[in-house]
Amino acid sequence: AQSVTQLGSHVSVSEGALVLLRCNYSSSVPPYLFWYVQYPNQGLQLLLKYTTGATLVKGINGFEAEFKKSEASFHLTKPSAHMSDAAEYFCAVSLNQGGKLIFGQGTELSVKP
Amino acid sequence: KAGVTQTPRYLIKTRGQQVTLSCSPISGHRSVSWYQQTPGQGLQFLFEYFSETQRNKGNFPGRFSGRQFSNSRSEMNVSTLELGDSALYLCASSSLQGKSADTQYFGPGTRLTVL
Repeated sequence: AQSVTQLGSHVSVSEGALVLLRCNYSSSVPPYLFWYVQYPNQGLQLLLKYTTGATLVKGINGFEAEFKKSEASFHLTKPSAHMSDAAEYFCAVSLNQGGKLIFGQGTELSVKP
Repeated sequence: KAGVTQTPRYLIKTRGQQVTLSCSPISGHRSVSWYQQTPGQGLQFLFEYFSETQRNKGNFPGRFSGRQFSNSRSEMNVSTLELGDSALYLCASSSLQGKSADTQYFGPGTRLTVL
């Protein structure tokens, strides 16, 4: 069965530090990969996605992610955390089943001043 | 373009009742997906509609149902509510083709509380 695993339900970084949120997936077919962010009492907003082509994907707000097929990973990074980055982050895969996303459990990012 | 809208934003029901939630997709989008978000189970796929047809269904009991209208607006219905149905219900729409690689745009959700 296809699944998505996000390592670490809570990650805390200092403002200005590197942000690294980990995502691994299990899939028998090449997946499409997404990172979404959710702020309190809001819906999900797309940060970036990988479909085909270049494996390093740049998204909004300075985030980027690299698709590594050999590791079945799609980790999200940002060189310098900002207080406004505090939110919950979800990794998701889509497996040629139309509009069905399979989500990881989410990682709550805290940013300390 | 206006984003995905969901109504109502908050809802309180009692066990045994039924509820209908509404979702209006981004103009021109033909695919609408529904998700349930709870602290324990996370985000789980309910079902997806494309051009008025249910194209995918998640692993939820038959009490959960949905439909899509010719203008792509969608509703989901939960009958015989249980306490465990308390959740944030999110609707998402994607573009004209509704392909797997398409970005899904999410609404703000409907917070359902079952007492």
